[in-house]
Amino acid sequence: EIVMTQSPASLSVSPGEGATLSCRASQSVSRNLAWYQQKPGQAPRLLILGAYTRATGIPATFSGSGFGTDFTLTISSLQSEDFAVYYCQQYHNWPVTFGGGTKVEI
Amino acid sequence: QVQLVESGGGLVKPGGSLRLSCVVSGLTFSDYYMSWVRQSPGKGLECIAYISSSGASTYYADSVKGRFTISRDNAKNSLYLQMNSLRADDTAVYYCSRGPSGTYSWFDFWGQGTLVTVSS
Repeated sequence: EIVMTQSPASLSVSPGEGATLSCRASQSVSRNLAWYQQKPGQAPRLLILGAYTRATGIPATFSGSGFGTDFTLTISSLQSEDFAVYYCQQYHNWPVTFGGGTKVEI
Repeated sequence: QVQLVESGGGLVKPGGSLRLSCVVSGLTFSDYYMSWVRQSPGKGLECIAYISSSGASTYYADSVKGRFTISRDNAKNSLYLQMNSLRADDTAVYYCSRGPSGTYSWFDFWGQGTLVTVSS
C-alpha cells in the first residue's frame, strides 16, 4: 500500500495570503495524484487531478504541481471560503490511498 | 445536476449487519465505476470498495475483505454496500462516489454521506 504523508498538519494563514501544502508518497505515483477540499459536515470536493489539472469549476487560485513522490498544492490568495481541510490522494494503484490532511485555518 | 444520495446508516451492535444504498441521478450510472469511501476520526479517508461499471469486477480494502460486499443495480441507478460482522472500527461516515477513470481513479462526485455507528 502506498502511504501518503501530508505536511504540515495545520497551517495558520491570514486572508489574502498564499499557502503551500505538501504531499509525499512512499513510492512513485507518477502524476496520478488528486487534491480535495473538505469543509465541516460536507463531503470532499475534488480540486485537482493528474497532479496539476484543475477540476471543473475550480478557480485558478488553486494550482498543483509535482511528479513521482513529491507534490504541492498552492492557494495563491486565501479567501474566507478556502479555510478548510485539504487531502491528497494517489490513484496509481489499488488500494487508492489518501493523506491525513492539512487543516488551513485563519 | 448530478446527485448521489446515500441511506441505510445507523446504530448497530458489534457483529451485526447493515446495508447501505446510494441512488445516483444526473449521469449515466451504468457507464462508471463506483466506490464506497469512508471517513473516521481515527483513520481518515479510506476507499474500501470499488465496483466496475457492469458489476463484474469488485475490489476491496484488506480492512473489509470478506465482511463487506459491494454491488450495483444499473436498472435502478443504485449502488449498495452489504456490511456484515461489523466492528467498532467500522464506525465512520460512508460516502458513495464516482471514479471516472476506471479501476484506479480520483473521485469527482460524492454523496452527502451516511453515518454508521458500531457500538454495544
